[in-house]
Amino acid sequence: GIQVEQSPPDLILQEGANSTLRCNFSDSVNNLQWFHQNPWGQLINLFYIPSGTKQNGRLSATTVATERYSLLYISSSQTTDSGVYFCAVGTSGSARQLTFGSGTQLTVLP
Amino acid sequence: NAGVMQNPRHLVRRRGQEARLRCSPMKGHSHVYWYRQLPEEGLKFMVYLQKENIIDESGMPKERFSAEFPKEGPSILRIQQVVRGDSAAYFCASSPQWLLHEQFFGPGTRLTVL
Repeated sequence: GIQVEQSPPDLILQEGANSTLRCNFSDSVNNLQWFHQNPWGQLINLFYIPSGTKQNGRLSATTVATERYSLLYISSSQTTDSGVYFCAVGTSGSARQLTFGSGTQLTVLP
Repeated sequence: NAGVMQNPRHLVRRRGQEARLRCSPMKGHSHVYWYRQLPEEGLKFMVYLQKENIIDESGMPKERFSAEFPKEGPSILRIQQVVRGDSAAYFCASSPQWLLHEQFFGPGTRLTVL
């Protein structure tokens, strides 16, 4: 099956800093989503982005499908951004079965 | 538009008991997915259902686990004779009928087996 690798595994930032999280995948995808799992364990949808670029406030994401990677940008980070960020992909053979990466644990310090 | 609803949010069972987890998809969504997050592991797909049909159960353990999505009512994930290794967070997601569409996740049910 498809392999999904996220980097870095851990990231500690000072409030106000910017960061870039990366998601590499081993095969063609037709579904890619970014999620934030907050400290209470809830999964929050951030982006549905199988290709292209999207922005939502301080967050933006870019997927370059031909090169098999996606980036999540967080600008002016806040303590509430802390948590785990997951990338999940679906392939043409099983678009409805999301395969998750192992996540990036983000800690934003005040 | 209410989001995906799961209940209970927390469930405690003793070894050997049955656990029933419920999921109500978002309004207008006809597809339901179950995922499991084991401690120290990532989120893993379990099963994909449409109304009255199991479409893909490739991620379901072969024994003790079953899922349904009846014509009326919520989707149910049932775990019989629970063991300590079943302790995990179980997430339900839903999506509309179109193939290429994002999945929206519920808040999860945290199952603890004593």
